[in-house]
Amino acid sequence: GAGVSQSPRYKVAKRGQDVALRCDPISGHVSLFWYQQALGQGPEFLTYFQNEAQLDKSGLPSDRFFAERPEGSVSTLKIQRTQQEDSAVYLCASSSNQVYEQYFGPGTRLTVT
Amino acid sequence: KNEVEQSPQNLTAQEGEFITINCSYSVGISALHWLQQHPGGGIVSLFMLSSGKKKHGRLIATINIQEKHSSLHITASHPRDSAVYICAVGGGSQGNLIFGKGTKLSVKP
Repeated sequence: GAGVSQSPRYKVAKRGQDVALRCDPISGHVSLFWYQQALGQGPEFLTYFQNEAQLDKSGLPSDRFFAERPEGSVSTLKIQRTQQEDSAVYLCASSSNQVYEQYFGPGTRLTVT
Repeated sequence: KNEVEQSPQNLTAQEGEFITINCSYSVGISALHWLQQHPGGGIVSLFMLSSGKKKHGRLIATINIQEKHSSLHITASHPRDSAVYICAVGGGSQGNLIFGKGTKLSVKP
């Protein structure tokens, strides 16, 4: 595809539900990043993949958050037993190299009620 | 103290005005990014720079590595420039970005 895509664009979940957010990076991009953006704040780093390897997950806020990229392309961010504080926009970005320009997807806006 | 500070937080300008948004950071970086985010939309990368100055159309970005400061300038501002402008710095071996809170710009016709 032409750019990074994410799905769904919007997700409403009841507290306690599990959700899965998908990111399709630009074809051939080695590096993939997940960020969380709370309302009125700048994005914050969650986790980073280089190909299929998750090299840094230090930003994941709790063990309810899990990310994978099994074939080094599409990535899924899973949140188990969602809480209201999980409500945010989840952004995915990919890059051809970890120090190069990052290309962002449109984000998934998650609302937990 | 945040590692990346932007000012102002909010900015209202009249069409045609020259606009400056500032960014200061406290960590060592490999590059600084200026990003644009429209309401409900994703983030678009405007500039990535590690020294000096870059220009693209009406946008100019400068960085002073010694002072750990960068500025984004918009000349002849237009209502379509209205958006949130975010400064982000990349450092370390993995390249994850550290973001400022953003500057919300509104340009009135």
